[in-house]
Amino acid sequence: AQSVTQLDSQVPVFEEAPVELRCNYSSSVSVYLFWYVQYPNQGLQLLLKYLSGSTLVKGINGFEAEFNKSQTSFHLRKPSVHISDTAEYFCAVSKIQGAQKLVFGQGTRLTINP
Amino acid sequence: DTEVTQTPKHLVMGMTNKKSLKCEQHMGHRAMYWYKQKAKKPPELMFVYSYEKLSINESVPSRFSPECPNSSLLNLHLHALQPEDSALYLCASRGGRNYGYTFGSGTRLTVV
Repeated sequence: AQSVTQLDSQVPVFEEAPVELRCNYSSSVSVYLFWYVQYPNQGLQLLLKYLSGSTLVKGINGFEAEFNKSQTSFHLRKPSVHISDTAEYFCAVSKIQGAQKLVFGQGTRLTINP
Repeated sequence: DTEVTQTPKHLVMGMTNKKSLKCEQHMGHRAMYWYKQKAKKPPELMFVYSYEKLSINESVPSRFSPECPNSSLLNLHLHALQPEDSALYLCASRGGRNYGYTFGSGTRLTVV
């Protein structure tokens, strides 16, 4: 089975500061990795995904993430955040082979303060 | 069309009512999903349809009944729900070369 641990439930950051949201995963098989963002009262929007290739993945809204296989991590970063980045962020994994479904971490609430 | 459309956006139902949630996509995705999300929690998988056949049922109570009439449409039939079933119900589809899971905006369900 796969599991995802998001190490911080809440991250407060000042506007224009850098931010890192941490994600570790556990799986006995190879997985794809995803970051989703959820704004209040909305569905989930894909920020970025790692399928293969370069371990540094760039996504929408200036976010990027780095896949580290040895540390089983997939941390999300942004060099300068905006008030509009305030949202819930979910890290998720999906098996590459077999029954494919997204397994989510518990989420990190990112709050941007002016 | 790169969207998953869910209707209705909001639903209030009594415990004796029967209602249905609808999900539609026209991206040619052959896998479709129902997730349930309680407040301040991650989405939890309920059902997976692959090529219009139910492939995963995460031990969901029978008061939730999924249906996939065709490759573009996914329904969730609701009957005799409990107040604790109040949640955001999210539909998703997966497919294409980019292997993306695309989510709808959800149906906010309140059981009274």
